[in-house]
Amino acid sequence: EVQLVESGGGLVKPGGSLRLSCVASTVSFSNYAMNWVRQAPGKGLEWVSAVSGSGASTYYADSVKGRFTISRDNSKNTLFLEMNSLGADDTAVYYCAQDRDFYDSSGRYVGNAFDMWGPGTVVTVSA
Amino acid sequence: EIVLLQSPGTLSLSPGERATLSCRTSQSVSSTQLAWYQQKPGQAPRLLIYGASGRPTDIPDRFSGSGSGTDFTLTITRLEPEDFAVYYCQLYGRSPPGFIFGQGTKLDIK
Repeated sequence: EVQLVESGGGLVKPGGSLRLSCVASTVSFSNYAMNWVRQAPGKGLEWVSAVSGSGASTYYADSVKGRFTISRDNSKNTLFLEMNSLGADDTAVYYCAQDRDFYDSSGRYVGNAFDMWGPGTVVTVSA
Repeated sequence: EIVLLQSPGTLSLSPGERATLSCRTSQSVSSTQLAWYQQKPGQAPRLLIYGASGRPTDIPDRFSGSGSGTDFTLTITRLEPEDFAVYYCQLYGRSPPGFIFGQGTKLDIK
């Protein structure tokens, strides 16, 4: 069974930086796009960023564009999120999630969704 | 930009009852773009439904998804005690690529 485990969270001052990692226990890591999703205390889920299986394509939510960088090292089954210029609004639990494409019995694409999630790592931005 | 609206915000029901949760999009979308997740306190979300109505093999058949266009529904027949949680719908956006989550529906024990 695939497992995802995040690390790198912690307490950082406003304007500071942090690098999150997510290690996947799978032999097919490069087959899947990966995502970061965050959840501020007491709030809902917010998609943050995505990277394609090869790492060639990246996508960001407007709230983090220009400050966060997603990347991956497929040789180490690891996903990263480099976070700069952090502010109080970035305080959240950060989850990594695997993006799987689903097909029906005839091979027709029927959708994609986040079928595997890590337990999350907590990022607190405070002076 | 597409907006997701989940309703109700909170739903209070008893074990054994039927739950109907709604997710509406501000523009018509393909059913392939819509998923549902369950989240319990202190836990990561769990995928319940993909492609509006597909169910992963480890999800009990009391969970079902339906809908098309702008109106999508998650139905839980015969609520079990472990089903009381927060439920989110998610939309995969193609232009620009990205994902949007609804604000969530909290399913409470009555």
